[in-house]
Amino acid sequence: KAGVTQTPRYLIKTRGQQVTLSCSPISGHRSVSWYQQTPGQGLQFLFEYFSETQRNKGNFPGRFSGRQFSNSRSEMNVSTLELGDSALYLCASSQRGSGNTIYFGEGSWLTVV
Amino acid sequence: GDSVTQMEGPVTLSEEAFLTINCTYTATGYPSLFWYVQYPGEGLQLLLKATKADDKGSNKGFEATYRKETTSFHLEKGSVQVSDSAVYFCALSDEGGGADGLTFGKGTHLIIQP
Repeated sequence: KAGVTQTPRYLIKTRGQQVTLSCSPISGHRSVSWYQQTPGQGLQFLFEYFSETQRNKGNFPGRFSGRQFSNSRSEMNVSTLELGDSALYLCASSQRGSGNTIYFGEGSWLTVV
Repeated sequence: GDSVTQMEGPVTLSEEAFLTINCTYTATGYPSLFWYVQYPGEGLQLLLKATKADDKGSNKGFEATYRKETTSFHLEKGSVQVSDSAVYFCALSDEGGGADGLTFGKGTHLIIQP
């Protein structure tokens, strides 16, 4: 079956702009989570959505937000972009529950100039 | 909070050498443990997992055993290939199975030379 799909794969934005990234989970997976990967900080958890509700949030400012639709697809938004937001943003999906595997997409590479 | 510590690289080995990448964790509950691999320019791929103490995860010649007494989940492979060159991440998930997200180690960059 199809894996986790993220769009766009690559994008360049200017400081102060906003960006929206999209994620389609594996069919049947209702949990979608987002991670930021940078060389300095590594992989950091942004937030998780399940049944259209944010279940948990990592330690990121309010400029980072997300939502989940009834078909489990998710979007994340970053407003007022800063240079430090340049990163690989990874979406992951799972069947929520102990021990369930979390599957990742290939990521969206964001460059802020 | 939860944390994962793994050896940072780069780790450089010759083809057919034995590989060990150490991983230890701190968690309040009974986490599930994972190894993910990231090839250049790509996302994360699950390599193997273990969900309870003494479980051994294995895939593509890689193995790791969940050791609760030493809070470790070391990755091993008997004979590495050039194609194994990648970054390897050890991670844990709490009892909620993702409620707080995966906690990752910093990653170990593995380079295999012919």
